[in-house]
Amino acid sequence: DAKTTQPPSMDCAEGRAANLPCNHSTISGNEYVYWYRQIHSQGPQYIIHGLKNNETNEMASLIITEDRKSSTLILPHATLRDTAVYYCIVRSYNTDKLIFGTGTRLQVFP
Amino acid sequence: DAGVIQSPRHEVTEMGQEVTLRCKPISGHNSLFWYRQTMMRGLELLIYFNNNVPIDDSGMPEDRFSAKMPNASFSTLKIQPSEPRDSAVYFCATQTTLGTPLHFGNGTRLTVT
Repeated sequence: DAKTTQPPSMDCAEGRAANLPCNHSTISGNEYVYWYRQIHSQGPQYIIHGLKNNETNEMASLIITEDRKSSTLILPHATLRDTAVYYCIVRSYNTDKLIFGTGTRLQVFP
Repeated sequence: DAGVIQSPRHEVTEMGQEVTLRCKPISGHNSLFWYRQTMMRGLELLIYFNNNVPIDDSGMPEDRFSAKMPNASFSTLKIQPSEPRDSAVYFCATQTTLGTPLHFGNGTRLTVT
């Protein structure tokens, strides 16, 4: 599976959009981009995933560049409860493995 | 849906003792994963099962670790004998079919003294 690169930490004001970037320059055609988050002391929580089209659900939006070498997770109106570590993971469609990197620690402040 | 259920939530044991961690997957989920999380190494995949059959155990650190899935509704991760360096949070996760999102339990925090 392709490796991802994320900034170690980011801050965001409550109510503002949080834009979390991820680089996956070695991604191949059959690999999806997945986003999970982990709130302190809980298990990781699935947020969203996509292949090449932008995706949106009730939690977030995922913007994937046309060349698929990077993506951005957008939390449109961050709240204090969105403070967590966010993991960007590239996963092949024909494998079960989900390999976590070090993620981005997002701190939402009042 | 109660989600993935892990027990116990916390386990404190002495070095050399046997430890058994338990996981009940979400009903209808066919794949089950065991992860370990530490500050130093982050989240590591230990082993995963598909339809109760172990598929990849390359992440299991050594022979002291073993995992079983005797049926679709139960899995165990056993450490025998335990060592202080096994102290970590152990997560179980399940998914419906190949390539679908994983659902994680809330983990078991293991402390080996």
